[in-house]
Amino acid sequence: DTGVSQDPRHKITKRGQNVTFRCDPISEHNRLYWYRQTLGQGPEFLTYFQNEAQLEKSRLLSDRFSAERPKGSFSTLEIQRTEQGDSAMYLCASSLVGGTGEKLFFGSGTQLSVL
Amino acid sequence: QQQVKQSPQSLIVQKGGIPIINCAYENTAFDYFPWYQQFPGKGPALLIAIRPDVSEKKEGRFTISFNKSAKQFSLHIMDSQPGDSATYFCAAASLGKLIFGQGTELSVKP
Repeated sequence: DTGVSQDPRHKITKRGQNVTFRCDPISEHNRLYWYRQTLGQGPEFLTYFQNEAQLEKSRLLSDRFSAERPKGSFSTLEIQRTEQGDSAMYLCASSLVGGTGEKLFFGSGTQLSVL
Repeated sequence: QQQVKQSPQSLIVQKGGIPIINCAYENTAFDYFPWYQQFPGKGPALLIAIRPDVSEKKEGRFTISFNKSAKQFSLHIMDSQPGDSATYFCAAASLGKLIFGQGTELSVKP
């Protein structure tokens, strides 16, 4: 299966700890997105990259959040000093500009629980 | 202006029925309108999509109706099956970024 891969699938942490999630997009895709989804809600846009450049960040992405995509391949999303309100599903998606265009392909997400 | 409003929040139909889910948007810069299907524990999966220059699109049992002047679009599922039970999200895109509706939890009873 060459879809979008996210790791870990589940993460339980204590308030105040730092966590890092990884996303491996579909190999030829040049855009990579991070979304956050809470129970009963639609995914909310956090940030996206085209190749290694971070092009937009939502105001939902506080200073505690940082995302990287070194070399334009995989991406990491780090949350520092986690808070209970950070508990959510973090979804990664990828697309190919000029190919699939706006067709975003999502991974299965990382479910974060902050105790 | 970036919101996409979706209704109903939940929907129950009998097998063979035609559930209809509605969405409305405000931002006229949106130029791509997909529908995603999500099963528990999985990420959303693209179902069908439409551009604003088309009023209707059909793919298999799924149909999107689009009303540009009203800034509304809807998903119809023909001959619904229990396997269609899932959460459905409409979305709208501008410059490749998707804004999602709040979701509709569909249950199709056998």
